[in-house]
Amino acid sequence: AQRVTQPEKLLSVFKGAPVELKCNYSYSGSPELFWYVQYSRQRLQLLLRHISRESIKGFTADLNKGETSFHLKKPFAQEEDSAMYYCALIRAGSQGNLIFGKGTKLSVKP
Amino acid sequence: GAVVSQHPSWVICKSGTSVKIECRSLDFQATTMFWYRQFPKQSLMLMATSNEGSKATYEQGVEKDKFLINHASLTLSTLTVTSAHPEDSSFYICSARGGGGATHEQYFGPGTRLTVT
Repeated sequence: AQRVTQPEKLLSVFKGAPVELKCNYSYSGSPELFWYVQYSRQRLQLLLRHISRESIKGFTADLNKGETSFHLKKPFAQEEDSAMYYCALIRAGSQGNLIFGKGTKLSVKP
Repeated sequence: GAVVSQHPSWVICKSGTSVKIECRSLDFQATTMFWYRQFPKQSLMLMATSNEGSKATYEQGVEKDKFLINHASLTLSTLTVTSAHPEDSSFYICSARGGGGATHEQYFGPGTRLTVT
């Protein structure tokens, strides 16, 4: 079964501290993975995708096929990073149907 | 960037009535639109996928006769919750994807909060 697991419901860090949001997946083959972010009272928006291998707002995520993980990292958290983060993958053979993890709420304290 | 709107943003209806939610892509043509449901403090669950001009594909466990989806144009999809009941109260979110290219990027609407009394 294709599945995304985000083990942490809530992650609280202080400003300037490193942050790592965990995401593990279950998928046969090569998955297409994403991180979405939802700031307070805003819509869900794409943060980054593993294909692009990009850094957005200081966040990076590396696909580790051996560990079936796609953890989101940032070396120095900022208060404005506080949001809900969702890891997602494209369901195989679909039209781009996303399977979401349950999300992790990141709280960055001053 | 691509913008997706939803209307209404919030609706309250009485049990047994039907409610229609609109999802529009404002500045691009959406060949595929998706409808999600999100319960409080939970993740998004895909309900159905719709392509312009064809019938929607529903996820397992989603009643197609209860959640009617119409994707009549490349910029508009509607979700009608028929004979709504309190258990249908939820946050409904649509997303849209344009045609062409290998990208699967979806652009999300702001969501519609449905409360059935």
